[in-house]
Amino acid sequence: AQKVTQAQTEISVVEKEDVTLDCVYETRDTTYYLFWYKQPPSGELVFLIRRNSFDEQNEISGRYSWNFQKSTSSFNFTITASQVVDSAVYFCALSDRVSGAGSYQLTFGKGTKLSVIP
Amino acid sequence: NAGVTQTPKFQVLKTGQSMTLQCAQDMNHEYMSWYRQDPGMGLRLIHYSVGAGITDQGEVPNGYNVSRSTTEDFPLRLLSAAPSQTSVYFCASARGTGAGYGYTFGSGTRLTVV
Repeated sequence: AQKVTQAQTEISVVEKEDVTLDCVYETRDTTYYLFWYKQPPSGELVFLIRRNSFDEQNEISGRYSWNFQKSTSSFNFTITASQVVDSAVYFCALSDRVSGAGSYQLTFGKGTKLSVIP
Repeated sequence: NAGVTQTPKFQVLKTGQSMTLQCAQDMNHEYMSWYRQDPGMGLRLIHYSVGAGITDQGEVPNGYNVSRSTTEDFPLRLLSAAPSQTSVYFCASARGTGAGYGYTFGSGTRLTVV
């Protein structure tokens, strides 16, 4: 089973629509961290947010918001009033310890390609 | 600060050739790692290191070697390149054990093996 599942491969929305990108993760570790990264067409990876497993507070940053629910192992990302500049591939990632001890490894989902149509 | 610097940005190799992808960071990060990105596959961990002299394998280590002789550098070696190694390679670094401090990524190396 995948450790990080982004079921939506591609999404298209019209500008100003809201869009939610889903992320479901799997881990046996009790202390873990979740991330979202944006990869625009230029190819670099842009850090968006980090969340630790003990902090289930939702977070809002401008038009971006994140919903972390431990009960469903989900960390979903919503863009409000989408803009053309939001067009990119978005990756959800999990940092955990494979055996519950030792070094952390960062595992990425396969990504969701978001296209915002003007 | 330069952050994480990867060289070269682009490279074309012939099957069987060897080369080293360079990665250097100036943030005194203990943790460094290499990923490859293939279409539809996301980023997959190749090797990682939690400090000088310590390396370990990730999800897809076959065909790649690493070493960590200094805190700053973490080169990735392809001893005999194969077309299956055509990919975009990213190096990343983080504080501590690579837990939740946040990862800084380089700009990537696009490698084509013909």
